[in-house]
Order: sequence, then structure tokens, then C-alpha cells
Amino acid sequence: GAVVSQHPSWVICKSGTSVKIECRSLDFQATTMFWYRQFPKQSLMLMATSNEGSKATYEQGVEKDKFLINHASLTLSTLTVTSAHPEDSSFYICSAEPRGPIRSYEQYFGPGTRLTVT
Amino acid sequence: SQQGEEDPQALSIQEGENATMNCSYKTSINNLQWYRQNSGRGLVHLILIRSNEREKHSGRLRVTLDTSKKSSSLLITASRAADTASYFCATGNTGGFKTIFGAGTRLFVKA
Repeated sequence: GAVVSQHPSWVICKSGTSVKIECRSLDFQATTMFWYRQFPKQSLMLMATSNEGSKATYEQGVEKDKFLINHASLTLSTLTVTSAHPEDSSFYICSAEPRGPIRSYEQYFGPGTRLTVT
Repeated sequence: SQQGEEDPQALSIQEGENATMNCSYKTSINNLQWYRQNSGRGLVHLILIRSNEREKHSGRLRVTLDTSKKSSSLLITASRAADTASYFCATGNTGGFKTIFGAGTRLFVKA
């Protein structure tokens, strides 16, 4: 099946530093990847939609200068949390939609990255 | 804004019993998907049902979709302790390119 990996799986960083999270589709190409944030016992909140070769589309309320997204290839998207603060601590999950002639609307999720900012 | 609301928020049953979870949404959709999430892990895609379908089966899973009521249900038959997880519905909206998630139902299956 389609596999999506995320790296790192968890990270602890100091306040003010930047953290980069990678999302890779391992056995398929994805023109579209999605970044979500999840707080404990809550649902996923879509942060942005990442399209290969173009700028990401951010959801309302998500600071694009704080959460930098780069979709450099059909198998890799990165999320950089810049100048991280404790309130950025969360579980970040990416997903990828396989590229095809017709949209499948199926998403394959990565295992998530737990970010803790101290 | 997020749409898709699961009901109930939490469900506790005995192993072997059936579990039914419901999902309601607000706008027109292209498809509705159900996902499972084990604690602290990523999501696992369970089943996708398109707006022109009414029912779909996959193993012990049965999903129904009623577009007139803007609702869907997920039935897990003969539940197992390993089914303990949070279940989310997500809608792919007509003309849109993103999937919006509901708050989820936390299912506890007691052995």
C-alpha cells in the first residue's frame, strides 16, 4: 500500500529555534500534500495544502511566515516551524494524495511528528 | 471552517458487540471518508464512499451515506479490543481540494 513517512517522529526544541519536519511519499508520487495539526484528544485541523512546484495554500488563521511549507518534489514536502514557542507544541501530521489522471480524494497519512517546545 | 461532526463523542462496548458511529456534515460533498487513529499515531484510511453511493462494505466495516440528510454511519461488527481507537469522518468537498475532519468518536472495546 501507499506509505508516507515523516521525519523526525518527535522533536524537542528550545523556544526561538526553528524546526523542520519532512513528509515523504515512499512508493507513489503526490502532487498534493496536506499538513495538519492535532491537539490532544481533538481532531485534525488543516493548516495548509501543499502543491508541488507552487506556493502552499494556508487555512485562515495559520501564519504562513511562521509555518513555512516547501513542496520541492512529487515525493517530499517540508514544514518548518520558525521561531517556535511553547504554544506551537503539538502533533503535526502530513498526508499525501496519490497523483493520477483522476482525483482519488484518498489521503495517506504519515505517522505524525510530536513537537515539544520548551 | 471544519465540518463533519461525529456522534457519539465516546463509545464503550464489550468485545463481540457492534459499534455504530455517525457523522454529519454541512455542505455538498464529493466523497466521505472514515479514518482510524490509534493514540498518538497517524491516521489509517478505512473506507471512502462517494456521493453517488449509499452503502459500502469492507471486511467488518459497513458505511452508509445519506446525502439528503447529510449524514453517514460507520458500523463495526463483532468488535475486537484492537478496534479501540478514535474514528474520524472526513469530507471531500465538491469543487474543493481538501478534506475536512470532524471531532472524532473515541471507541473503547473492552475484552
